[in-house]
Amino acid sequence: DTEVTQTPKHLVMGMTNKKSLKCEQHMGHRAMYWYKQKAKKPPELMFVYSYEKLSINESVPSRFSPECPNSSLLNLHLHALQPEDSALYLCASSGGQGIKTQYFGPGTRLLVL
Amino acid sequence: EDQVTQSPEALRLQEGESSSLNCSYTVSGLRGLFWYRQDPGKGPEFLFTLYSAGEEKEKERLKATLTKKESFLHITAPKPEDSATYLCAVQVILLNDYKLSFGAGTTVTVRA
Repeated sequence: DTEVTQTPKHLVMGMTNKKSLKCEQHMGHRAMYWYKQKAKKPPELMFVYSYEKLSINESVPSRFSPECPNSSLLNLHLHALQPEDSALYLCASSGGQGIKTQYFGPGTRLLVL
Repeated sequence: EDQVTQSPEALRLQEGESSSLNCSYTVSGLRGLFWYRQDPGKGPEFLFTLYSAGEEKEKERLKATLTKKESFLHITAPKPEDSATYLCAVQVILLNDYKLSFGAGTTVTVRA
């Protein structure tokens, strides 16, 4: 089973709201990722967690706050977002060593008003 | 600087008309090349991982090949359900970890 699940599927929020995106995998993967994807563009890496520790932050604004409560879960907390943050947010996971095939979830479509 | 370039940007095919997509890369030390398929509004679906030059992998109507500078995704006798954006990515080192560097994708449309 190579399934990564994400909730919610769609989210509409105002610029003053606080919301969270959730991601879960049960493949025993020890690396998890958040990506942002705008229309007709490839996914853009935001964060990497490796063995539940943040290993890469691609200079993402602090209004995005990742959290990895355990090896199966990954959250992305959102606060004071801007309309330009509207995008498809993708979670992925991979094995912990060597050449890592990343498996993606279905994504959360976020609209910021 | 690591670079991944896909061509063409878009490809329109008649059902049954075979074709190939190209992914050329410039990386310092390839650690895996990946092909994904992505339908509109959905997450990328993993297709293939290629590790070394000369390697080939097949799945249904798709076949991926790898040389030292590029990879090809061959679509044989495509059907309308093969319509999607196909993304190529290479694994590159970043700090003490790895990341995927994606090409811009090739959008394939197959007409019945």
